[in-house]
Amino acid sequence: DAGITQSPRYKITETGRQVTLMCHQTWSHSYMFWYRQDLGHGLRLIYYSAAADITDKGEVPDGYVVSRSKTENFPLTLESATRSQTSVYFCASRHSKDEQYFGPGTRLTVT
Amino acid sequence: DQQVKQNSPSLSVQEGRISILNCDYTNSMFDYFLWYKKYPAEGPTFLISISSIKDKNEDGRFTVFLNKSAKHLSLHIVPSQPGDSAVYFCAASTTNDYKLSFGAGTTVTVRA
Repeated sequence: DAGITQSPRYKITETGRQVTLMCHQTWSHSYMFWYRQDLGHGLRLIYYSAAADITDKGEVPDGYVVSRSKTENFPLTLESATRSQTSVYFCASRHSKDEQYFGPGTRLTVT
Repeated sequence: DQQVKQNSPSLSVQEGRISILNCDYTNSMFDYFLWYKKYPAEGPTFLISISSIKDKNEDGRFTVFLNKSAKHLSLHIVPSQPGDSAVYFCAASTTNDYKLSFGAGTTVTVRA
């Protein structure tokens, strides 16, 4: 089925561990995005990508790393997880200026 | 500093009545505005948008109004239905910029 998927949906990890959140889209959209959603802050952009091998920092990139070797995949890595990175993470791809399509989210808890 | 602000964290409205959600922005370069709707445990979905060349855009029960001089937009839902209970995010962008700036969201509860 066409769409955008994220895995895992739920993850509990310990402080200092490396964690990778996966994102896959089947539309071949050029633009992809990672957001985090926190109470009182809405959705904040972490990293974005205009095409394969082209990535750039968003509003809150510290502590995160991304890569995009293939158009359809855009993984987000927390190199050394901290409690402040406990959040819900959303991946999105851009259909047009009107719409970004969002994945279902990954709820990450860092203990 | 948040460039898009939704100052009402929550709104409760009776079924059949009008819901009015407000959004303010500070960046005068913003010229495209969107509303997204989000249910629990799901990703946000696009609802409606408006370009700065317009002051109103309507889609069924949803209407967005833009007041550029006040840097303010609002979303009207008429009539409100139980299925409208969700979090609504206001977002904005500038010409040729594919990044969106989001507000903090307003949780709407429609009472039967």
